[in-house]
Amino acid sequence: SYELTQPPSLSVSPGQTASIPCSGDELGDQYTSWFQQKPGQSPVLVIYEDNKRPSGVPERFSGSNSGSTATLTISGTQATDEADYYCQAWDNSLVVFGGGTKLTVL
Amino acid sequence: EVQLVESEGGLVQPGGSLRLSCSASGFTFRDYPMTWVRQAPAKGLEWVSSISDSGRSTYYADSVRGRFTISRDNSKNILYLEMNSLKIEDTAVYYCARGFRADPFHYWGQGTLVTASS
Repeated sequence: SYELTQPPSLSVSPGQTASIPCSGDELGDQYTSWFQQKPGQSPVLVIYEDNKRPSGVPERFSGSNSGSTATLTISGTQATDEADYYCQAWDNSLVVFGGGTKLTVL
Repeated sequence: EVQLVESEGGLVQPGGSLRLSCSASGFTFRDYPMTWVRQAPAKGLEWVSSISDSGRSTYYADSVRGRFTISRDNSKNILYLEMNSLKIEDTAVYYCARGFRADPFHYWGQGTLVTASS
């Protein structure tokens, strides 16, 4: 079965850039979405179709996808961005989630 | 405003059954595919099942196929998940979400906890 691999954790200083990778076989050949989830809350879509931002998502969130790696980039990271982040793609048209990355802002 | 509201989950014995529902409002329900995603305690997101806008096509994760049934009532704007032969490992918060395939998961419900335990 298709797997998406994310680092379990990542740390970034406030104001710096956070880059969260998601790797999968030929991932660049399909669309990837990214979700932010804060403790006790439902997931929130922050990037879809590799690099599109839903309305209301700050411009500091961006995405890219090429080769075998999709990347969520948060520029000028703020304390409020501390959360778990999940990538999502497809396996034979069925949904696959990455294991998630806990982003710590300190 | 799009709203997805799941029914209350609950405590069920292993081997038991439970039906979840998700009431939708703020959009034309019959125009969108719908999906269930779950999250075990302190774990990541796991796709469970999806259904086409018409309800004619359904899709399941291997972990629940043959035990869970997804359905929808487009006249009532409700999505369902019938869960049978529940296992301890089905314990999770279950979310309904709007979307599947060409439709990204823009909207999620608040989630409902299902606990399978004796």
